[in-house]
Formats: sequence, structure tokens, C-alpha cells
Amino acid sequence: EAEVAQSPRYKITEKSQAVAFWCDPISGHATLYWYRQILGQGPELLVQFQDESVVDDSQLPKDRFSAERLKGVDSTLKIQPAELGDSAMYLCASSSPQSVDEQFFGPGTRLTVL
Amino acid sequence: AQSVTQLDSQVPVFEEAPVELRCNYSSSVSVYLFWYVQYPNQGLQLLLKYLSGSTLVKGINGFEAEFNKSQTSFHLRKPSVHISDTAEYFCAVNSNFGNEKLTFGTGTRLTIIP
Repeated sequence: EAEVAQSPRYKITEKSQAVAFWCDPISGHATLYWYRQILGQGPELLVQFQDESVVDDSQLPKDRFSAERLKGVDSTLKIQPAELGDSAMYLCASSSPQSVDEQFFGPGTRLTVL
Repeated sequence: AQSVTQLDSQVPVFEEAPVELRCNYSSSVSVYLFWYVQYPNQGLQLLLKYLSGSTLVKGINGFEAEFNKSQTSFHLRKPSVHISDTAEYFCAVNSNFGNEKLTFGTGTRLTIIP
């Protein structure tokens, strides 16, 4: 069964360091999403890609966060420099052109900033 | 703008008892509605979705939900819960006018008591 892959699963870093997360969506899924889920809250969309283009990054803190999907397949989310408040679960999801209403989620990367 | 309210942050239920997790939404346009389940340190898994048609929707693991447009609700129910149902449950909404952005509620932690 096809799944969304994410790595690493866990990341511990010190504040002011740079971190990067990787996501590989289900093959053929043109739309890719990055969400941030703070403990005790629901996921919040950070950025949405359609193929290699950004569709929505209105909630992405652009002073420290960046996201790319250069070839329209896998994607990287970067934080530089990391702050204590960035500690959260970062979830990647994808959806297909035939079923845009359903998003398939990866296992997430849990980031702890010390 | 759209929003989701999950009225209960925690719901303890005895094993084999019925459960209802409440969800209310707000939107100025027609919507699609979803329930996702999240097990500890994992991503989100779709339980069920309402797109159109019958207001009673059946999903995986014996869960069902009923869309009530007049009350703007989409409550999740299960007639008899099991220990394995212990998890966090998220209600989500997006508009059906081509906007694929999901807005999540804050989640309800369901704890099954043996």
C-alpha cells in the first residue's frame, strides 16, 4: 500500500541551529502539504504545493521557514534558525488530482528545540 | 473563512459503551467534512468523510457520523468502543469550491477505560 514517507521521525536540536525535514508523497500525487501540529492542537497548514509551484504559503513564517519541491515530487521544509516555539510535529500530506478531497498523511517528524 | 469547534477536549468512556464526539463548523459556503484519527506519535488517518448525498456516513473501525446542516454539526459516533480506539480524533472542514485547504479542530482525546 502506497504511503507518504517522512524523515527523520524525530529531531532534537538547539535553538539557532538549522533543521530540515524531508517528505516523499504517494506516487502520482500532484498536491503536497506541510502542516505544523503543536502539542494539544490540530494541524495547521504551513504551505501547499501543486506540482513544483507554491499554491498557499500564507501561514509560513518566511523569515525563518522555507519549503521547496524542485522537481514536483519530494519536498524539503527547512527552519533556520530554529526557535523554542518551533517544537512541534511536522506533518506532510499529499492528494491526487482524481481525489483532491482526501489527503493522505505521513507519520510526521517530531521536532524538539532545546 | 471557515472554522471547526470540537467541544470536548477529553472524553473517557468505558469499554463496550457507546461514544459520541462532537464537532461543529462554521463556513459561509458549502463544505466537505472529515474525521481523522491520530494514534500516539503517528500521522493522521482518515476515518470518514462527507462530500454530498446521504447525511449518515459510515467509516472504518465501526465509526459513523451524521451531517446536520441546520445545526452545522458533524458528530462522530460508535455504538461500542474498544481499547484500541484510544486515540486523538480531529474534525476538519474545507470548502467544496476548489479550495483544498483543510481547517482542523483542536481535537478530542478519547480514552477507553477497561
